[in-house]
Formats: sequence, structure tokens, C-alpha cells
Amino acid sequence: NAGVTQTPKFQVLKTGQSMTLQCAQDMNHEYMSWYRQDPGMGLRLIHYSVGAGITDQGEVPNGYNVSRSTTEDFPLRLLSAAPSQTSVYFCASRARAGGNQPQHFGDGTRLSIL
Amino acid sequence: RKEVEQDPGPFNVPEGATVAFNCTYSNSASQSFFWYRQDCRKEPKLLMSVYSSGNEDGRFTAQLNRASQYISLLIRDSKLSDSATYLCVVTPYGSGNTGKLIFGQGTTLQVKP
Repeated sequence: NAGVTQTPKFQVLKTGQSMTLQCAQDMNHEYMSWYRQDPGMGLRLIHYSVGAGITDQGEVPNGYNVSRSTTEDFPLRLLSAAPSQTSVYFCASRARAGGNQPQHFGDGTRLSIL
Repeated sequence: RKEVEQDPGPFNVPEGATVAFNCTYSNSASQSFFWYRQDCRKEPKLLMSVYSSGNEDGRFTAQLNRASQYISLLIRDSKLSDSATYLCVVTPYGSGNTGKLIFGQGTTLQVKP
């Protein structure tokens, strides 16, 4: 009963380093998304995907890349980490984009950029 | 103006109290509405969807007022375990193909013994 799995749970990077946050879901959901959560800002959408091979930008995409080669996986890549990217990152999935289906979140990745 | 606005609180209430939160949204054509709950340093979890006719789930009642563009969450007989941050979530009009959800910043509830 895994649901949405994110790795790692914690990460510290130096400015300029790159890394990939992993996200996998085992519910055969079409829709997946990445959010960042900062104090006083709520969750903000970074990128999303409505199905394998299809991705699009959300509200705050700069500095991040995504790909969706399979239905299950939706990795988020930080190209050159900056202190402004220090945040908590959540991956989420829904059965499909529209409608009232609930969105399932992963446990989050706490990322610090020094 | 933010698309979804909530009073961040915190709301400090004694056990057994009734507490209500409001959330306002700016896009009058918004389509779907939800309340999520987020415990400290945990992921958000769906509490309930909000329907035009209002809906109830145990001690929780959600209502939608499209004319005034706000949704509310009422918690009766508060429990210590209700202490959390409650996130108001809205699906903007025309986002059916994007699945985009707009989150408010959350309202923090602290229930005291």
C-alpha cells in the first residue's frame, strides 16, 4: 500500500550542485505534480503531467526540469541549486486531471541549499 | 490579491468548542473546492470536498457560498487531535485538463485541553 513515494526525505546541497528528487506512484494515476511549500506561501505548483510523455509548467517552474517517461515515475531535477530553492517539496498524484478525485501526496522532501 | 485567501490564525480553542474557518477565492468561475488537513511537517491529506449544497462528515461541515465567493469549514466538539493546519483548495475554471489546484496558505488550529 505504498501510494506516492518520494526520495530522499532530506537533502543538503551546496549552491550550484544539481540533483534529482524522485517520485513514484503505484496507483496507475494519470496526473502527477510537484509542489513546493514555503512559510506563509502555501503550496505552489512547480510542474505537472497529465500522462506519460506530457509535462507542463506550473506557477514556479524556473530552475526545475521534469520528465514523465512512465506512468509511475515523475522525477524533479534541480539544474543548479540556489538558496532560494530551500523548501519542502511534495509530489502528488490524482487518478486524472479533472473532477473531484482526491490528490494523494508523498511524505515530502526537505531540501536545504547552502 | 491572492487567488485563495485564508486567515492564518492560529485559532486557539478549548476542547469541545465549535470553530469555523472561512476561505475566500477571487475567481468567480472556480469549479471545485476542497479542504485539506496538514499536520506539522507532514503531507497534506484530503479532509473533504465541498459541494454547493453543503456537506457534512461527522463533526465537520463544509459550505460553499458562490455569490460571496467563500467556503467555510465548521468543526464541532473539537478534539485535541483536530490540531493541525487546514488548507483551502480551489480548482480554477478551465483547468479541467491541467488538474491545477490553488492552495490557500492555511489556517492553524490549536485545540487546548
